[in-house]
Amino acid sequence: QKEVEQNSGPLSVPEGAIASLNCTYSDRGSQSFFWYRQYSGKSPELIMSIYSNGDKEDGRFTAQLNKASQYVSLLIRDSQPSDSATYLCAVNDWGDDKIIFGKGTRLHILP
Amino acid sequence: DAGITQSPRYKITETGRQVTLMCHQTWSHSYMFWYRQDLGHGLRLIYYSAAADITDKGEVPDGYVVSRSKTENFPLTLESATRSQTSVYFCASEGQTDTQYFGPGTRLTVL
Repeated sequence: QKEVEQNSGPLSVPEGAIASLNCTYSDRGSQSFFWYRQYSGKSPELIMSIYSNGDKEDGRFTAQLNKASQYVSLLIRDSQPSDSATYLCAVNDWGDDKIIFGKGTRLHILP
Repeated sequence: DAGITQSPRYKITETGRQVTLMCHQTWSHSYMFWYRQDLGHGLRLIYYSAAADITDKGEVPDGYVVSRSKTENFPLTLESATRSQTSVYFCASEGQTDTQYFGPGTRLTVL
């Protein structure tokens, strides 16, 4: 059973600080990695994708991928109250047509 | 408008009734997916489709039926609704590089 693991949280971070969200995955062949944000009562929306080892930055967001350790993370700099949401890590199922989602980490930014 | 839509957004039905949830996308994406999301379980894949007339089971297909006669539509039918099928249902379509885009969701209550 291929799995994507995330700490469920809640992760509480003061406004203006860096929020660090982590994810591990079991399928060594995975090639595509995603972070989705989901506000309460809303659908998931893509915020970052990463396909190669290293860091990828987009505004206040940085995704980090380490395939050797099967680890992907999301850093949110200068955290804002509007960043309070559940963050879903997703990984492609190599050799299959599906994406495997983690159960998500609830992030709470403290004003 | 371009994008992915779902209807109805909210539905209340009774045990044993047949219910069909609609999903429509305007991107001409080949792949489409149906998920259910429940507290404690995250997103679980029900069925997916690689193209018109090609469908396959996901993690939790029992009690559900899908069809895909046209690329843009992917309806999900609950043949005889049960209380355990009370959930939020998300449809998604997949663009390039495995990126999935979600519809707004249907909140289904089975009494």
